[in-house]
Amino acid sequence: KAGVTQTPRYLIKTRGQQVTLSCSPISGHRSVSWYQQTPGQGLQFLFEYFSETQRNKGNFPGRFSGRQFSNSRSEMNVSTLELGDSALYLCASSSGQNNQPQHFGDGTRLSIL
Amino acid sequence: AQSVTQLGSHVSVSEGALVLLRCNYSSSVPPYLFWYVQYPNQGLQLLLKYTSAATLVKGINGFEAEFKKSETSFHLTKPSAHMSDAAEYFCAVSGGGATNKLIFGTGTLLAVQP
Repeated sequence: KAGVTQTPRYLIKTRGQQVTLSCSPISGHRSVSWYQQTPGQGLQFLFEYFSETQRNKGNFPGRFSGRQFSNSRSEMNVSTLELGDSALYLCASSSGQNNQPQHFGDGTRLSIL
Repeated sequence: AQSVTQLGSHVSVSEGALVLLRCNYSSSVPPYLFWYVQYPNQGLQLLLKYTSAATLVKGINGFEAEFKKSETSFHLTKPSAHMSDAAEYFCAVSGGGATNKLIFGTGTLLAVQP
């Protein structure tokens, strides 16, 4: 079974630009969550999508948004990039039942210049 | 609200020695607890999970963790460290309710000395 696939693996942007990250979950998984990992703040929950609906949202500004498609693939968008958005963005998928283990992709490393 | 605290941001052990990584949780509901490992330039890999079925949970790569409600702890152990165990380890609690949201600890970087 293929794991969680995130593209691209690395991305360099400049302040003010926007970016879209993609995540393909494990086949059959209906829940996709996104996390931001930084040295200063650690791992922080961004949002979770289940059956194309946002089920939960973390404490991030509205510049961070996401969506999920009918095939469970998900995208995350960050607009008006700031230097502080530099981070590893991790996507995780699970079956969708509550409190199930999540399976993570290798992440997208976003660097803002 | 749920939270986890990992004591010790850096732990160093000798190869073959016991590994003990500490995690304490706070939860207003019966918790679902997880340990993940992260190797450099990779995502997180699930080591084990506690879901109330048994207090001693066995995971992959020889790791296990014991849930102690009286101590609100879920410490991770391995009897004999291997060089390949060097990585960062994260304890996490599920957010509860209709969600798969994970709340992570700050992580413990494990170094294994030859």
